[in-house]
Amino acid sequence: GENVEQHPSTLSVQEGDSAVIKCTYSDSASNYFPWYKQELGKRPQLIIDIRSNVGEKKDQRIAVTLNKTAKHFSLHITETQPEDSAVYFCAAKGGSTLGRLYFGRGTQLTVWP
Amino acid sequence: NAGVTQTPKFRILKIGQSMTLQCTQDMNHNYMYWYRQDPGMGLKLIYYSVGAGITDKGEVPNGYNVSRSTTEDFPLRLELAAPSQTSVYFCASSYSGQNGEQYFGPGTRLTVT
Repeated sequence: GENVEQHPSTLSVQEGDSAVIKCTYSDSASNYFPWYKQELGKRPQLIIDIRSNVGEKKDQRIAVTLNKTAKHFSLHITETQPEDSAVYFCAAKGGSTLGRLYFGRGTQLTVWP
Repeated sequence: NAGVTQTPKFRILKIGQSMTLQCTQDMNHNYMYWYRQDPGMGLKLIYYSVGAGITDKGEVPNGYNVSRSTTEDFPLRLELAAPSQTSVYFCASSYSGQNGEQYFGPGTRLTVT
């Protein structure tokens, strides 16, 4: 099956700085890459996703980039705010299996005011 | 719409006891999933279903069983609970198995002692 690696496991930034979280995947047939945000004690919620036919997608302060050749994708958060503090998970959907997502281990992002 | 609901929110089991975690969605989604989340380990897929009457194993199915008799409900059964099953359990659903957002329930925190 698919294997997703996520780095770093923890990230601390000052408010207003940018944050970047990186993930790699193993299955070259994977075609869908969502990012989920999970606040403490809450459920994961989708914040942005990208499909394999797109190299970059942006939504206000959040962007995701995908490099299919290198099999890695990244989440970029600009102008970070304290409310961005949460655990972020990347995931990949294997090309051969309907609906199944494989998650990275998560990155704890802390934004200091 | 209530979205995805789960009961109970919390449960403490003794070793060897059994229980059923309930999951219901009112979005008419065909795809439903059960994950467990252990600290620092991301989300691991236990079982999933692509429609009523159809279920399949995920990455960590041992010690669990599921059924899907209706589109709305996807209960997870734990038989002979073990301490290794202490975790937070999330149910999720999606409309599409291809590139669809997965909507998560609020989670059930289970402790086995």
